[in-house]
Amino acid sequence: QQQVKQSPQSLIVQKGGISIINCAYENTAFDYFPWYQQFPGKGPALLIAIRPDVSEKKEGRFTISFNKSAKQFSLHIMDSQPGDSATYFCAARGASGYALNFGKGTSLLVTP
Amino acid sequence: EAGVTQFPSHSVIEKGQTVTLRCDPISGHDNLYWYRRVMGKEIKFLLHFVKESKQDESGMPNNRFLAERTGGTYSTLKVQPAELEDSGVYFCASSHNLGQGMGGYTFGSGTRLTVV
Repeated sequence: QQQVKQSPQSLIVQKGGISIINCAYENTAFDYFPWYQQFPGKGPALLIAIRPDVSEKKEGRFTISFNKSAKQFSLHIMDSQPGDSATYFCAARGASGYALNFGKGTSLLVTP
Repeated sequence: EAGVTQFPSHSVIEKGQTVTLRCDPISGHDNLYWYRRVMGKEIKFLLHFVKESKQDESGMPNNRFLAERTGGTYSTLKVQPAELEDSGVYFCASSHNLGQGMGGYTFGSGTRLTVV
């Protein structure tokens, strides 16, 4: 069964807008939640990550919001740029584990 | 530093043939992982090496898949005989520790395998 559910499957945002991608999980043993960005022909690259002891983490235009009680986390891309057009994956991993459980990915297109 | 290198980048083979994928991790990374993304699905864990030892191969689909990491350096993933459902993108990743730090893994660009 899929451990991490991600939505939407695809997203179109105008330049300068806010892109929001959501993920939900069931396993309360997860304690590490990274987001990966993948460009065509490349592998996923770590974008930003959070642990559940904080509710928000911001790095530049990218912010993770984390809601432990709802078992949900989201990626916000502020002032979205055409160069942000890529596939984004959320993931989760348990404290004693090493395998990442990925969402299905969101294809983001930022239009000029 | 050089990243994780995977070879070939693409492979098209007929059903029943054998294919071997190779991964060169970042130098000094003891941990090496294989993942696979079947079209339309999530990226799924296949197995994990610590140096030359298989730490966890619980994600391997069946015994047609064989992974090795001789000498604890590069790794190979062999599919024999290949079936249509094996088509997908195979990713390799490596990390210095277990990726428990916020740094996570470094992924290679993947091998796109098409079985026809």
